[in-house]
Amino acid sequence: ETGVTQTPRHLVMGMTNKKSLKCEQHLGHNAMYWYKQSAKKPLELMFVYSLEERVENNSVPSRFSPECPNSSHLFLHLHTLQPEDSALYLCASSQDVRQSTNEKLFFGSGTQLSVL
Amino acid sequence: AQSVAQPEDQVNVAEGNPLTVKCTYSVSGNPYLFWYVQYPNRGLQFLLKYITGDNLVKGSYGFEAEFNKSQTSFHLKKPSALVSDSALYFCAVRDGYSSASKIIFGSGTRLSIRP
Repeated sequence: ETGVTQTPRHLVMGMTNKKSLKCEQHLGHNAMYWYKQSAKKPLELMFVYSLEERVENNSVPSRFSPECPNSSHLFLHLHTLQPEDSALYLCASSQDVRQSTNEKLFFGSGTQLSVL
Repeated sequence: AQSVAQPEDQVNVAEGNPLTVKCTYSVSGNPYLFWYVQYPNRGLQFLLKYITGDNLVKGSYGFEAEFNKSQTSFHLKKPSALVSDSALYFCAVRDGYSSASKIIFGSGTRLSIRP
């Protein structure tokens, strides 16, 4: 176990549904991330939070809405998604986002999302 | 701009043989380089990193990687492959002058070890 827990593991939703992905880390880290993993494509960084403040938003469509109520929890709220949004959504955490030679990411197992 | 390339979608190796998974990178400053592994139905796990110092970096599960500045490469290697090494491997890079949030991942290489 990496100390980063994601729920649900699998999610099937229609294009008109609203759902949320949850991530929780038990590592005492200050930074949390959402990544999108699609087959044969580089991992796409979506959002970065540092101490509950969003520090990165990589041109992600507004149908994805992140929320970080505290440094241990991260949510990704989903609404009116498209079939091309089907992918594995990974949450990660790290000690912080500042320049650090000891930086490494701890990933959850992901939520496999299918949009019908 | 930073970038990382993994030229092989898949690498097939017989158990007991040496393996190499290739990675090349492009950064404007000093590179910080990483390898992560993803087993089925799991998230990515950190394997090893190069920041500075010895060009040969040793990591988890007997893996090592060699930093080659002139060829801008950071290939992952293991002297003797195990079936349990079968997984998806990601190379990642960030410019040493940028924040840790700027790490860029490759598209992954699927390593398949046959018994």
